[in-house]
Amino acid sequence: EPEVTQTPSHQVTQMGQEVILRCVPISNHLYFYWYRQILGQKVEFLVSFYNNEISEKSEIFDDQFSVERPDGSNFTLKIRSTKLEDSAMYFCASVQNGGEKLFFGSGTQLSVL
Amino acid sequence: RKEVEQDPGPFNVPEGATVAFNCTYSNSASQSFFWYRQDCRKEPKLLMSVYSSGNEDGRFTAQLNRASQYISLLIRDSKLSDSATYLCVVTPGGNTPLVFGKGTRLSVIA
Repeated sequence: EPEVTQTPSHQVTQMGQEVILRCVPISNHLYFYWYRQILGQKVEFLVSFYNNEISEKSEIFDDQFSVERPDGSNFTLKIRSTKLEDSAMYFCASVQNGGEKLFFGSGTQLSVL
Repeated sequence: RKEVEQDPGPFNVPEGATVAFNCTYSNSASQSFFWYRQDCRKEPKLLMSVYSSGNEDGRFTAQLNRASQYISLLIRDSKLSDSATYLCVVTPGGNTPLVFGKGTRLSVIA
C-alpha cells in the first residue's frame, strides 16, 4: 500500500525556535493536510492545501504557522516561534481528488522545552 | 457543544466478547462518516466507512442514524489485536477536513 512519509519522527526544540516538519504525500494525491494531536486529546485539523494554496485552515493555524510545497514531492509545516503548547504529534495526510480514504503519515512528535 | 462525542471508555472486555461503541455528531450537514482505529502513539488508520444502510466488514458492523445524528460500531468475537482506540470521524464530505471524536479505548483481555 502507498505511504505518506514524515520526517523527523521526533523533534525536540527550545521555546521560541523555528521548526520545519516535512512530509512526502502519496504521489498522485492532490489534497494535503496537517493535523495535530496533543497527548491524550483528539486529533485536530490545522490546514488543508490544494493546487499550491491553502484551501482551509482552523483557528489553531495562526500567523506562526505556514505551509509550503517547495517542490513536486515535499509538503512542509513551519512553526516560526514555538511555544510549549505546540508540543504534540503532528500528522500529515493526503487524499486523491474525490477519494474517500485519507492516508496518514506516521507523525512527527514535537516536544518544545 | 462538542462536534463529535463518543463513549468515554475505557472498555475492558474478554476475548470473544461483543462490544459496541456509540458516537453522536452535532453538524447536521455531515455527509461522510468513518470509524478509524488508532494504536498508541501511532497514526489513525481507516477501519471502515459508515453508510446509511449500515455496513459490515467481517466482525465489524457500523450503523448510521441520520435523524438522531448517531453512529455505532459493533465488534463481534473480540481479539487481543482489537485493543486500540476507536475514533468516530465525520465530515461534510468531498475533501473537507475530517472532524474527530476523542476516541474510545478498547482493551481485549485474554
